[in-house]
Amino acid sequence: QSALTQPASVSGSPGQSITISCTGTSSDVGGYNYVSWYQQHPGKAPKLMIYDVSNRPSGVSNRFSGSKSGNTASLTISGLQAEDEADYYCSSYTSSSTPSYVFGTGTKVTVL
Amino acid sequence: EVQLVESGGGLVKPGGSLRLSCAASGFTFSSYSMNWVRQAPGKGLEWVSSISSSSSYIYYADSVKGRFTISRDNAKNSLYLQMNSLRAEDTAVYYCARRQQLVYYFDYWGQGTLVTVSS
Repeated sequence: QSALTQPASVSGSPGQSITISCTGTSSDVGGYNYVSWYQQHPGKAPKLMIYDVSNRPSGVSNRFSGSKSGNTASLTISGLQAEDEADYYCSSYTSSSTPSYVFGTGTKVTVL
Repeated sequence: EVQLVESGGGLVKPGGSLRLSCAASGFTFSSYSMNWVRQAPGKGLEWVSSISSSSSYIYYADSVKGRFTISRDNAKNSLYLQMNSLRAEDTAVYYCARRQQLVYYFDYWGQGTLVTVSS
């Protein structure tokens, strides 16, 4: 199972909006509405930010939003803040071989 | 408060074995599926294995199938990963992660334990 494709890096100034893409196949992203997004600060554990394409867990800022079109999912961070600087990973359920999960290649978000 | 605490990592020679543990607290462990996810140094996340709440369903990534064994002890609120025939490419931080029944995301993660495979 190949990793989902994300841009290596995305940057923006405070207050701006940025979007991170996550491209898979019809066996994962395109086949299920089970895309999730995780934020990871250096040396820390991943934190769930979005689940089931566009749902936010309790406690996650509404500046974070998710969407999907075909085989590509997207995470948008609006009103960019310094604390948003981190690595972001998408993930999707896949049943291409056995039921499993595939992660994206990861995107480093830099706040300029 | 949900807590997942991994232990058992360390330095092991290629071909060696290691057993990781994950101690869970703050929730009803026996009601949740559990997973291991790893991250090689400077690399992305890779799902390794999952086990259902009653151990009825167990799945592995192709990269570890036949070498790693996931298990759990609901009486002890603990998750395990027995790793045999370790290779250099298994070097990573190993996280345990919780998944609710019938959902497809990981809502809580431990802080991870580092496994280094080197001679």
